[in-house]
Amino acid sequence: SQQGEEDPQALSIQEGENATMNCSYKTSINNLQWYRQNSGRGLVHLILIRSNEREKHSGRLRVTLDTSKKSSSLLITASRAADTASYFCATALPNAGGTSYGKLTFGQGTILTVHP
Amino acid sequence: EAQVTQNPRYLITVTGKKLTVTCSQNMNHEYMSWYRQDPGLGLRQIYYSMNVEVTDKGDVPEGYKVSRKEKRNFPLILESPSPNQTSLYFCASSAPYRGLYEQYFGPGTRLTVT
Repeated sequence: SQQGEEDPQALSIQEGENATMNCSYKTSINNLQWYRQNSGRGLVHLILIRSNEREKHSGRLRVTLDTSKKSSSLLITASRAADTASYFCATALPNAGGTSYGKLTFGQGTILTVHP
Repeated sequence: EAQVTQNPRYLITVTGKKLTVTCSQNMNHEYMSWYRQDPGLGLRQIYYSMNVEVTDKGDVPEGYKVSRKEKRNFPLILESPSPNQTSLYFCASSAPYRGLYEQYFGPGTRLTVT
């Protein structure tokens, strides 16, 4: 089963509104990352939050992490039509020796549509 | 320009015909990885490499091989492709800092196996 699962699967909003996407995961993590993908293109890294951090900001992006609930949320404020894309969370396993911390697990993604 | 390149970008082949998808990065990254993306399943990791000559299985390694003989290249080999390997493939690289892997993705290779 998927380590990371996003909710909702699809989100449709008007320009200027805020968009919130959620990610849940099952096992302990080293860090959680959010990526953006425009239709059929390569993913672009947005933000990384470590397991000992609770909140992080980058421009119009705000990410929270609740390790007790094994969940994260991505908030995009004042959305723009150009934010229309798929958004994925990805979790990295803890560094427990060996090379396991190189294993990155992605969720199924949230499709965000921002209407002008 | 810092980038990850993949070739070919599009490939249609037949069942059983061996193929190689190349991946190259010019950022001197130690870490490289291959993913496949299928509708409704998100991205799934096939193989990853922490450095030259060090490779590990991801979540879906069956039917694939990789090699990492030099730092910049990480080819994905399908010895005997089957239709269930029809997918969109992405290569990614990263320079880990304190165990954290912010990944840079290539443009993708769309593979169809008939």
